[in-house]
Amino acid sequence: DVKVTQSSRYLVKRTGEKVFLECVQDMDHENMFWYRQDPGLGLRLIYFSYDVKMKEKGDIPEGYSVSREKKERFSLILESASTNQTSMYLCASGGTLGYTFGSGTRLTVV
Amino acid sequence: QKEVEQDPGPLSVPEGAIVSLNCTYSNSAFQYFMWYRQYSRKGPELLMYTYSSGNKEDGRFTAQVDKSSKYISLFIRDSQPSDSATYLCAMSPNTGTASKLTFGTGTRLQVTL
Repeated sequence: DVKVTQSSRYLVKRTGEKVFLECVQDMDHENMFWYRQDPGLGLRLIYFSYDVKMKEKGDIPEGYSVSREKKERFSLILESASTNQTSMYLCASGGTLGYTFGSGTRLTVV
Repeated sequence: QKEVEQDPGPLSVPEGAIVSLNCTYSNSAFQYFMWYRQYSRKGPELLMYTYSSGNKEDGRFTAQVDKSSKYISLFIRDSQPSDSATYLCAMSPNTGTASKLTFGTGTRLQVTL
């Protein structure tokens, strides 16, 4: 069964902490994506990557960075977490024919 | 104005009803259209995929695309309580660059016994 695995389901972090969200896919997809999902705002694209070591900003990249050292792994980094980054974070891989999403990480910044 | 508009609901229907979920869009370059289903506290899962205009059927689900009106629909026949979820439409232009999808905000559906 093909999978996108996010390392944590729930995280609670303090304001100012550096936060790492990890995502691994086993489908050999070139493209990987990080979204955040908030009520009333839907899915908003933070960053995406179409190849190893390549990254592109999405619609809301401010306060985030990413790393893709290997094809199967795409990490989202919050350099200094803030309360307005409390959200559901979803990783996905795939392309025009559709994405496969992970189960999400619910991040709370206090 | 958002590129993709979707009524957030909630939409409540009795078991066995026919459900119609809809999205409108403004970008005429969109060629690929998808519907995702998202259960509470889970990631979205791909439900239906269509290319360009026309209909596609899969069991109780039918996806319909009308590019002339920039309007897509998902119909669910004989709805079941297990269909209770948020349904997101998504679409993409005919391009190979990273194949980014643009999502609607989702419609929450509740099917009652």
